[in-house]
Amino acid sequence: ETGVTQTPRHLVMGMTNKKSLKCEQHLGHNAMYWYKQSAKKPLELMFVYNFKEQTENNSVPSRFSPECPNSSHLFLHLHTLQPEDSALYLCASSQVSGGAIGANVLTFGAGSRLTVL
Amino acid sequence: AQTVTQSQPEMSVQEAETVTLSCTYDTSESDYYLFWYKQPPSRQMILVIRQEAYKQQNATENRFSVNFQKAAKSFSLKISDSQLGDAAMYFCAYGDGGSQGNLIFGKGTKLSVKP
Repeated sequence: ETGVTQTPRHLVMGMTNKKSLKCEQHLGHNAMYWYKQSAKKPLELMFVYNFKEQTENNSVPSRFSPECPNSSHLFLHLHTLQPEDSALYLCASSQVSGGAIGANVLTFGAGSRLTVL
Repeated sequence: AQTVTQSQPEMSVQEAETVTLSCTYDTSESDYYLFWYKQPPSRQMILVIRQEAYKQQNATENRFSVNFQKAAKSFSLKISDSQLGDAAMYFCAYGDGGSQGNLIFGKGTKLSVKP
């Protein structure tokens, strides 16, 4: 496989459930990202892992918990979500050189469509 | 804080015609990068074009070109000879050149291509 793979593509969960989103990149990149995409809103950066270390956490509620066990895998653990958390969750990766994260081209996965009932 | 504004929620173009999508941004930085990303209905977002702010020459990629006006903080995307496969959401994004920077996206422009 090549590129960035996200599973599952669709997820429906109740507010009391615990589930996880998985992302895997096969590009040898050293940074991975979680973005939230809601209708008619800009993409919201949730978490950044640079060299497996979390470098960004944009005031994301604690019901979202990221995990990056290695530079190729990224998880987003979900628990006690709210209906407003329903969105498309996009994973991306990039190769960061010289520390300039904002200079780099992101490669995105196809996303996980989450519906919270 | 940096912001990115795409003032056209939707645009439409006739096949084979040219269309321009607008984007403005606000920053106090001098070192930054600008991007256009395309998200087709299948949802996977892909890079269309990238511009480095220190380069005066406008970036081009085949039928896609940008008009980068640094003083005006404007970064529009021109699509020439539009094709049906160009129909998608187009997102303008700003990237800070610093070590803590990340990409800031606009709300997107939905482009329809009429046969």
